[in-house]
This record gives sequence, C-alpha cells and structure tokens, in this order.
Amino acid sequence: QQPVQSPQAVILREGEDAVINCSSSKALYSVHWYRQKHGEAPVFLMILLKGGEQKGHEKISASFNEKKQQSSLYLTASQLSYSGTYFCGTEATDSWGKFQFGAGTQVVVTP
Amino acid sequence: EPEVTQTPSHQVTQMGQEVILRCVPISNHLYFYWYRQILGQKVEFLVSFYNNEISEKSEIFDDQFSVERPDGSNFTLKIRSTKLEDSAMYFCASSGGTEAFFGQGTRLTVV
Repeated sequence: QQPVQSPQAVILREGEDAVINCSSSKALYSVHWYRQKHGEAPVFLMILLKGGEQKGHEKISASFNEKKQQSSLYLTASQLSYSGTYFCGTEATDSWGKFQFGAGTQVVVTP
Repeated sequence: EPEVTQTPSHQVTQMGQEVILRCVPISNHLYFYWYRQILGQKVEFLVSFYNNEISEKSEIFDDQFSVERPDGSNFTLKIRSTKLEDSAMYFCASSGGTEAFFGQGTRLTVV
C-alpha cells in the first residue's frame, strides 16, 4: 500500500516555508525522504525510525508520528536549490525491506 | 565518495527481447534494490535483495523479472520478453542499513 503525500505541488518564493505530509495506512518501521531533480536520480535526505523523532538536513527537517503513521517534511526559509520533487518512502513493520514511495510533491521555489 | 554505478545509461531494445541492467552497489553495502520510474510518474519499488536472496518484491516483479548477484559485486536485473510498457528509468539502490544511495539509472526504451 503506497503512502499518500500532500500537497501534490507547492510554489514558494525564496525564503518561504512549506510542509509536505506523508501518511500510511500501515504501521511503519521507517520513513525515508528523497528529493529528485528533473532527469536525475532521487537523492536521500533523511530517514526517521522512531515515533516522534525529528531530524534535520540543512534547513529541511522532518518528523515521524508513529502512532498516526505519518511523517511531515518541513522546508524552512526555502532556497532555489530546494526545487524538485520530494518523495517519501515508507517501510511497513510487516514487510521489512520493501519500500513504497508516495506519488511525490513537486516543489518550485521562485526568486 | 562511494557511489552506485549503473550500466548502460540508456538502452533501446525491440519488443520481445531480453535485457540485462547492471548495477555495481557500494562495496560494503548489504541491501540492494531495484526501482522503476515511468516518465513523469512516481518511483515504484520492484524488489529488494539481502543475503543473496530476494527479501521483498512488488506485484510488478512477476516472472518476467529476475535479479542476480553473479559475482559478489554486480547486481543485475533481467527483463525477459520486454513489452512497450517496460519503457522506464530503472534505478538501482544500495544501503548499509539506513541511507539508500541511488545510481543514476538506466533509461530503457522498448520499441
């Protein structure tokens, strides 16, 4: 069962913030976040393993609410380089090693 | 910096032919994955491989597909009797247990 991401797309001005959500109908072991630029491979941003854990990468951070089976990615003070498609990948507790990706959220940061 | 390498970068094949996509994972990694991304769509999980055997596979990964680690370094995806709808970017990824590193992908075009 693939995770559901929202929103589908977001357009930001440089310096603005955004939140991308990822939710699953299954109990999760881990959530991974990736960013993919057009024509390139997805690039790993971070992994979250524990409930309520928050991690950061530059001004991009994420939280994982294990009970709600959802994760949120926070883009803070966005930069032009943040443009791309963000995917969450989830690993359910009953299918360890099998990653399902969400449909992606396209982020466009404008000057 | 260690990286996952995939060959070829682009392959064109006739419908019905067999193709082998090659990947060299990062040397001390133990978990290997194949993903597919049809143009403009999300990344789809195909299969994960650990300890020289398949650990998980998706519904897409039917008898048409097989994976091998023939020599302890290469990790291959074989697609038999290719169909037009197999045209996609195929990504290999490897992981040491947390972060997954993606190769640059092989673009497969079936004509």
